[in-house]
Amino acid sequence: QKEVEQDPGPLSVPEGAIVSLNCTYSNSAFQYFMWYRQYSRKGPELLMYTYSSGNKEDGRFTAQVDKSSKYISLFIRDSQPSDSATYLCAMFQTGANNLFFGTGTRLTVIP
Amino acid sequence: DSGVTQTPKHLITATGQRVTLRCSPRSGDLSVYWYQQSLDQGLQFLIQYYNGEERAKGNILERFSAQQFPDLHSELNLSSLELGDSALYFCASSGQGGQGSVFFGSGTQLSVL
Repeated sequence: QKEVEQDPGPLSVPEGAIVSLNCTYSNSAFQYFMWYRQYSRKGPELLMYTYSSGNKEDGRFTAQVDKSSKYISLFIRDSQPSDSATYLCAMFQTGANNLFFGTGTRLTVIP
Repeated sequence: DSGVTQTPKHLITATGQRVTLRCSPRSGDLSVYWYQQSLDQGLQFLIQYYNGEERAKGNILERFSAQQFPDLHSELNLSSLELGDSALYFCASSGQGGQGSVFFGSGTQLSVL
């Protein structure tokens, strides 16, 4: 079983839609959770960083962590064509030295 | 701009050759990570250094090696290159203790012909 599972998509939505991206994980020791956005052949860009459970909001982006279910989500409100990219979840545990990534979900927002 | 600098941006070389990729972490960051991303593949963790010491190893081939220097910049050395080594190589850095936000550079695109 992979440490982190993420639906690769692709996911296509109309402009203005609410997008939900999700990851599940198996290691209950994970404490730090991140979402990255990666445009084609570019470096991953850190969008959201969350420690432990709960919600975090930044503009149109909301990250949720449910440690009891080992499930994290990223919501994008009022999606824009510029949001079209691959979204990667990532996580690691306290004291660990490796960031575990999901395989990424490719999102296309259609104008 | 993430603050992580990678050079060169592009590298074209032949099979059997050796190349060096360079990374300068964000100011103050002690941890440096190296990742490989092949076409349409996920990020594969190669190796991590913290303040000059190797901290973790992923799926790094024996032909590959890395080091982190006293000024905290890092180099990834790839030798006896094969066609399959063609990929994007990313460096990332994070703050003290390796916890918290991890920021990526823009990558080095390696093409082995």
